[in-house]
Amino acid sequence: GAVVSQHPSWVICKSGTSVKIECRSLDFQATTMFWYRQFPKQSLMLMATSNEGSKATYEQGVEKDKFLINHASLTLSTLTVTSAHPEDSSFYICSAPDRDVNIQYFGAGTRLSVL
Amino acid sequence: GQNIDQPTEMTATEGAIVQINCTYQTSGFNGLFWYQQHAGEAPTFLSYNVLDGLEEKGRFSSFLSRSKGYSYLLLKELQMKDSASYLCAVSDSNYQLIWGAGTKLIIKP
Repeated sequence: GAVVSQHPSWVICKSGTSVKIECRSLDFQATTMFWYRQFPKQSLMLMATSNEGSKATYEQGVEKDKFLINHASLTLSTLTVTSAHPEDSSFYICSAPDRDVNIQYFGAGTRLSVL
Repeated sequence: GQNIDQPTEMTATEGAIVQINCTYQTSGFNGLFWYQQHAGEAPTFLSYNVLDGLEEKGRFSSFLSRSKGYSYLLLKELQMKDSASYLCAVSDSNYQLIWGAGTKLIIKP
């Protein structure tokens, strides 16, 4: 299957700092990528849909000014958690759909811990 | 509204067979997906059904009935490493994935 690379895999930061997470499709182009958040023992929650060359589409309740998404190329989307607070600590996962079959392939995830 | 239902937790014995059911009500249908997620890791793709019937892939099989809004994932010859959460997801008319809450599968020796 297709490969999606996500970096970093683990981040520990101080409250008030910003953290950038990268998501790359390695062997295919993705005009759309998805960003999810998952709290312990809970299901995946879609945060936003990242669209190459245009603005991201955010789910209800997700602050677009806090979670900045940039999809500057067909293989790279970034999520920046601005002014992170302890309640932002979570597992952030990106995915990109294979264009032919629309199967979503996931990055390995980024575990964010805000102190 | 859109809804995906699957059992919260199931327990099975190593070497046995287990069937995880998923029922769905969505606006449109463009395929049903099963993913496996081990604790602390991202989901990995298992199977995709868009037509009625059974898709077999090694020890795992997935079945779909579109008229009944129903799917199941069948795991045979269970191994301890199969202990994980299994996520059912449906692609709706906008090709957006609607996710179930996942079924935690516990394998006992």
